[in-house]
Amino acid sequence: DARVTQTPRHKVTEMGQEVTMRCQPILGHNTVFWYRQTMMQGLELLAYFRNRAPLDDSGMPKDRFSAEMPDATLATLKIQPSEPRDSAVYFCASGLGTGGHTEAFFGQGTRLTVV
Amino acid sequence: AQSVTQLGSHVSVSEGALVLLRCNYSSSVPPYLFWYVQYPNQGLQLLLKYTSAATLVKGINGFEAEFKKSETSFHLTKPSAHMSDAAEYFCAVSGLQGAQKLVFGQGTRLTINP
Repeated sequence: DARVTQTPRHKVTEMGQEVTMRCQPILGHNTVFWYRQTMMQGLELLAYFRNRAPLDDSGMPKDRFSAEMPDATLATLKIQPSEPRDSAVYFCASGLGTGGHTEAFFGQGTRLTVV
Repeated sequence: AQSVTQLGSHVSVSEGALVLLRCNYSSSVPPYLFWYVQYPNQGLQLLLKYTSAATLVKGINGFEAEFKKSETSFHLTKPSAHMSDAAEYFCAVSGLQGAQKLVFGQGTRLTINP
């Protein structure tokens, strides 16, 4: 059963520390999304990639966040330095972009708490 | 600019009653539209999608949605609510201005009363 795998599922870290979240997309999918979910803001699109190239990262705070796809089986989202306001659930989703749209399959999320 | 709007952050219905969750999009060109469901502490799961084929789309768990271009709407319905339908529901849009990114509405929390 193909699924998007995110690690870690939970992360508690101190303010100022670097945080790295990892995502293994479904094999064969050419599009990867990173979302952040909070009670106040809902689901925010941070960045998305097509064929490992970043297409849009306008939703991501550039000074502390970075997203990469070192290869087709791994996507990473880093926060350095982390701040309490970064506490949220971060979701990775992958899909096969076709016909002008992408149907996304979501991972279970990484719940980040910055203290 | 808000590209998809869900009317009602909370909806409560009785078990067995009709479920209606509202979604409107803002685009002069019909985009691709989706409904996702999120159960507590889970990721999002696709319920159904509209991709310019039939305007009435049937999804999983007895849900369906109708695309109405004249009303720029894509409301989600289920004839008879079940307790297991309690969850958060998200409407999403893709294909706006040629971009394939998937943008979500604010979500509607559905509560089912016994």
